[in-house]
Amino acid sequence: QSALTQPASVSGSPGQSITISCTGTSSDIGTYNYVSWFQHYPDKAPQLVLFDVSSRPSGVTTRFSGSKSGNTASLTISGLQAEDEADYYCCSYTTTRTYVFGPPTRVIVL
Amino acid sequence: QVQLQQWGAGLLKTSETLSLTCVVYDGSITDYYWTWVRQSPGKGLEWLGESHHTGRTIYDPSLMSRVMISVDTPSNRFSLRLTSVTAADTAMYYCAGGNGFKWDFWAQGTLVAVSS
Repeated sequence: QSALTQPASVSGSPGQSITISCTGTSSDIGTYNYVSWFQHYPDKAPQLVLFDVSSRPSGVTTRFSGSKSGNTASLTISGLQAEDEADYYCCSYTTTRTYVFGPPTRVIVL
Repeated sequence: QVQLQQWGAGLLKTSETLSLTCVVYDGSITDYYWTWVRQSPGKGLEWLGESHHTGRTIYDPSLMSRVMISVDTPSNRFSLRLTSVTAADTAMYYCAGGNGFKWDFWAQGTLVAVSS
């Protein structure tokens, strides 16, 4: 059972913006700015889309942005496109020096 | 750009030891942290552990008694061993790495099935 909570699915129409929340505790998200987000297509390796809450790796579209408030981190996808349809995971560093993933959020492009 | 390639046995019997290896291309294994992640059928991603060439290693507490991650500097490889496997260990296993928590590099994954 994940220590982080994410919605099972989020949907939006092309061009819209959607936000995926990731709620943890003071033992993980609430203490560190070490939150990453991964995009995962079926039968592919996960891909890092955000790290350190809001930093984008080289090559990742600027349509992905991140934020954090208290124990909750968020990933926002703006200008939603069909290619954004995938599973998204947040992951946080914890006070026990381990990492924990949230459950998958399926993004559905209507 | 660093690339990872992994391999290992894909079919195991209950109580056997899972062994996977990941080789680092176009980069030095001493420059990054190395991680193993798995995804069981129909479930989400699960972090297994992380290792650094200095010997700093940490594991998920639920697997600590069965898991070992090692880094071999001369061969630019790192490995995962998981002992006493059961059907619950059936999963797609991925090796990954990067600067600290910036897991930029991922291998293609290895499907491991455990049967009785």
